[in-house]
Amino acid sequence: GAVVSQHPSWVICKSGTSVKIECRSLDFQATTMFWYRQFPKQSLMLMATSNEGSKATYEQGVEKDKFLINHASLTLSTLTVTSAHPEDSSFYICSARGQGGSDSPLHFGNGTRLTVT
Amino acid sequence: GENVEQHPSTLSVQEGDSAVIKCTYSDSASNYFPWYKQELGKGPQLIIDIRSNVGEKKDQRIAVTLNKTAKHFSLHITETQPEDSAVYFCAAPRRGSGSARQLTFGSGTQLTVLP
Repeated sequence: GAVVSQHPSWVICKSGTSVKIECRSLDFQATTMFWYRQFPKQSLMLMATSNEGSKATYEQGVEKDKFLINHASLTLSTLTVTSAHPEDSSFYICSARGQGGSDSPLHFGNGTRLTVT
Repeated sequence: GENVEQHPSTLSVQEGDSAVIKCTYSDSASNYFPWYKQELGKGPQLIIDIRSNVGEKKDQRIAVTLNKTAKHFSLHITETQPEDSAVYFCAAPRRGSGSARQLTFGSGTQLTVLP
């Protein structure tokens, strides 16, 4: 089945620094990837849709200048949290569809636990 | 956009009993309904999905039923085992998401299987 790999699995950074999270589709090409954010005991909230070779589409309320998304290849999307603050601490999860386009199931990476001190 | 409501928020069952989780959706045009299992500290894992052209789908101890008229779908887990303990999320396509087929998730159900 489709495998989505996310790195790192956890990261601790100081307030004001930037952190980059990578999301890779290991055995398929993904023209579209999705970035979600999840707070403890809550559901997944879509942050943005990452499109290969073009700009990401951000959800309402998500600052595009703070959460930079780059989808430079068919197997890699990155999320950079810029000038991180403690309120950015959360569980970030990426996802992608398997081969077959929009009719394929959505598969998730194992998430990145970000802690900003 | 699509509104997905999930119940119950927590569910405890004895090992060997069945568990049922229900979701309702608002967009009658929705045609795809996946269920995900999320273990602590991990990403969600797709466990079963159903498309609107069928009313039921089964995979070993897991089944999903769909009632398009009432706009609700349910996850059924039979012969529950302690390793079934996790948070379960339902989802449905978000209205207007086009070919991207973004999903809207339910609020989640914490299932605890007691040994």
